[in-house]
Amino acid sequence: GAGVSQSPSNKVTEKGKDVELRCDPISGHTALYWYRQSLGQGLEFLIYFQGNSAPDKSGLPSDRFSAERTGGSVSTLTIQRTQQEDSAVYLCASSQGPGQPQHFGDGTRLSIL
Amino acid sequence: AQRVTQPEKLLSVFKGAPVELKCNYSYSGSPELFWYVQYSRQRLQLLLRHISRESIKGFTADLNKGETSFHLKKPFAQEEDSAMYYCALASGGSYIPTFGRGTSLIVHP
Repeated sequence: GAGVSQSPSNKVTEKGKDVELRCDPISGHTALYWYRQSLGQGLEFLIYFQGNSAPDKSGLPSDRFSAERTGGSVSTLTIQRTQQEDSAVYLCASSQGPGQPQHFGDGTRLSIL
Repeated sequence: AQRVTQPEKLLSVFKGAPVELKCNYSYSGSPELFWYVQYSRQRLQLLLRHISRESIKGFTADLNKGETSFHLKKPFAQEEDSAMYYCALASGGSYIPTFGRGTSLIVHP
């Protein structure tokens, strides 16, 4: 079956614009994670969804960042009023449950001009 | 708080040489530890997890609770092993993994 799918693969936008990133997890995976990967900084956790529970938003860097997961499947990460420091690769991962190995998407490379 | 440290940003070896990518963790409970790998132009993928106790692509990793380490080892490196390697710790009720900053392994011919 298909793996985790993310879109768009690349996004270039002007500072101050809003962007929306999409993640389609593997069917049946209850856990979904968003990470930010910056050069030399490793993976920075952003937000975690598990089933129908309230998401863990503890990693979101500011209130400009938000995420939703509709119907326990597709998730969107929204960044409002983008800043240049938001430029990074945004990765989505899903797993069969908490503590299980994660399956990653190809990421969205976001560039803020 | 849990923490994962990969002390080497870059590790450069020659083909056929042994390789060890270091990972140290900080967590008081029983950890779930993973190694993930990202080859050039490919997505991040699981390499191995400590509870599986298996060897993948010739790599092994042993959990040493006394030293709080989970080093990744391979006796004879191959050029195709060149990649970015991340150590990750998952534990606690939320199971949100903590990733190390990664080690770039370069295997020269």
